[in-house]
Amino acid sequence: AQSVTQLGSHVSVSEGALVLLRCNYSSSVPPYLFWYVQYPNQGLQLLLKYTSAATLVKGINGFEAEFKKSETSFHLTKPSAHMSDAAEYFCAVMPLAGTALIFGKGTTLSVSS
Amino acid sequence: NAGVTQTPKFQVLKTGQSMTLQCAQDMNHNSMYWYRQDPGMGLRLIYYSASEGTTDKGEVPNGYNVSRLNKREFSLRLESAAPSQTSVYFCASRLDSYNEQFFGPGTRLTVL
Repeated sequence: AQSVTQLGSHVSVSEGALVLLRCNYSSSVPPYLFWYVQYPNQGLQLLLKYTSAATLVKGINGFEAEFKKSETSFHLTKPSAHMSDAAEYFCAVMPLAGTALIFGKGTTLSVSS
Repeated sequence: NAGVTQTPKFQVLKTGQSMTLQCAQDMNHNSMYWYRQDPGMGLRLIYYSASEGTTDKGEVPNGYNVSRLNKREFSLRLESAAPSQTSVYFCASRLDSYNEQFFGPGTRLTVL
């Protein structure tokens, strides 16, 4: 069965520091990959998606992610954290076109001043 | 354009009570989904509907039923609520096979 693993349920950074949230997937073929963000008491909002075009994907709010097939990874990065980035982040995979998303368990990002 | 809407926002039930969670989207999307979110578990798929008139089970369907009333609406029913169904429920929709899912704001359900 397909699965998504997010390493680290909680990541803490200082404002201005690099943000790195890790995501690995299991799939025999390159899947469609997504990162969502959830702010407190809200629904999920799409940050970015990979759909087999460029391997480096840029999203909203300065985030980007790189698809590495050899490592089956899709890590999310942001060069400089802002206080407003504090939220929960979910990596998700769509194993085949048209199938439902499979979500990782999420990583909570805390940003301190 | 309201996107995906869910009602109610909050609900408290007693064990054994029934209720229906409503979801509607105004984006003319074909597929709709129901997830539950529990701490440390991420989002788990309950049921989905690939198109009007079709529904399929997801990862955790036990204790739930769904109805795809028309293209816009997809409801989730708890026939006899249990404390294990205390969760936050999210509805989502997707235009077609290659696009992302759009999520509603969620329903926080507590079963006592």
